[in-house]
Amino acid sequence: GAGVSQTPSNKVTEKGKYVELRCDPISGHTALYWYRQSLGQGPEFLIYFQGTGAADDSGLPNDRFFAVRPEGSVSTLKIQRTERGDSAVYLCASSSQGLGYTFGSGTRLTVV
Amino acid sequence: SQQGEEDPQALSIQEGENATMNCSYKTSINNLQWYRQNSGRGLVHLILIRSNEREKHSGRLRVTLDTSKKSSSLLITASRAADTASYFCATARISSGSARQLTFGSGTQLTVLP
Repeated sequence: GAGVSQTPSNKVTEKGKYVELRCDPISGHTALYWYRQSLGQGPEFLIYFQGTGAADDSGLPNDRFFAVRPEGSVSTLKIQRTERGDSAVYLCASSSQGLGYTFGSGTRLTVV
Repeated sequence: SQQGEEDPQALSIQEGENATMNCSYKTSINNLQWYRQNSGRGLVHLILIRSNEREKHSGRLRVTLDTSKKSSSLLITASRAADTASYFCATARISSGSARQLTFGSGTQLTVLP
């Protein structure tokens, strides 16, 4: 596609539920990144994929968070047993040369 | 954790004036990038400056980098109301395995008054 697509754009879930957030990167971009942004803060790194493999998952806050990219294109960020503190905008970005990122519009997750 | 700190946190100017935002960071970097964000959603890449560059221009944007002081500045000339947004600096570190991971600052909220 022309840009990075993220779905859903908004997600409201109850505490303790499981959620999946989807990212469809720019076609041909091998690098894909997930970031999380809380209100009034800059984005914080979660995980980076190069192709199908997670090259760096050091930003995942705990084992409730997991991400996959099985075919080297679409990625899914999965959050188990959601907590209110997980509420944030989850941003996905892709790049072809590891330089400037192209970001999606994000998924605003609200845990109630 | 956030490596960069933008200064000021908020800036309000009149249309036509220049806006200068500063960014400081802590570790050695491969490159530094500036992004713009409207309404807390997707970020737009503005400009990238490599660690061996000192100044770069793109349209009304001018970026400087001082690696000895670990600081960068973004200058927007002849500002317009449409420039109103949050601006973030982001650094790509040198250490292996993280050269592609960007670390963002906390941002400067720029308001350009018509």
